[in-house]
Amino acid sequence: AQSVTQLGSHVSVSEGALVLLRCNYSSSVPPYLFWYVQYPNQGLQLLLKYTSAATLVKGINGFEAEFKKSETSFHLTKPSAHMSDAAEYFCAVSDRGGLTFGTGTRLTIIP
Amino acid sequence: GAVVSQHPSRVICKSGTSVKIECRSLDFQATTMFWYRQFPKQSLMLMATSNEGSKATYEQGVEKDKFLINHASLTLSTLTVTSAHPEDSSFYICSARTGSGYGYTFGSGTRLTVV
Repeated sequence: AQSVTQLGSHVSVSEGALVLLRCNYSSSVPPYLFWYVQYPNQGLQLLLKYTSAATLVKGINGFEAEFKKSETSFHLTKPSAHMSDAAEYFCAVSDRGGLTFGTGTRLTIIP
Repeated sequence: GAVVSQHPSRVICKSGTSVKIECRSLDFQATTMFWYRQFPKQSLMLMATSNEGSKATYEQGVEKDKFLINHASLTLSTLTVTSAHPEDSSFYICSARTGSGYGYTFGSGTRLTVV
């Protein structure tokens, strides 16, 4: 079975600083990987996805992620954090149709 | 873009009663719908996969008689929590596969509280 591990359940960065949220995957086949953002009591919004095309994937709101097969990683980055980026972020991998999610990382932005 | 409408957004019910949650695909046909559950401060866990016109496939540990899923049309899937108990209180989210690739659109979720 495929799985993802998100390192760091809580990450705090200052406004304007680099955002780095870590995700490592486990898969016996080329994976399809996703990053979603969730605001309180809301559904999930897709930030970006990797589907075996370009390894550097650009998403919405200035986020991007790089697929590194050698490191089995798909870390999410944003050069400059905004207050509106404060939310819960989930990494996910496709698994028999439905998605398997990581445990999530809560991002806090310090003014 | 593809939109999945989920209702109700919040529901409070008494223990022992049943609650139905609906998910509608508004501008596309959802052949496959996924149902997830999210406990407070936890991740989403896939409960079941439903395909239009066939029986749902439940994940290990999910009681199919308790969580009834119906996907009778290409635009509507429902999840009924039968004989609800306080431990069923959770956030339930549906998701539809969109397009021919790995695209998934999520509903806005339903907060179920069983008292």
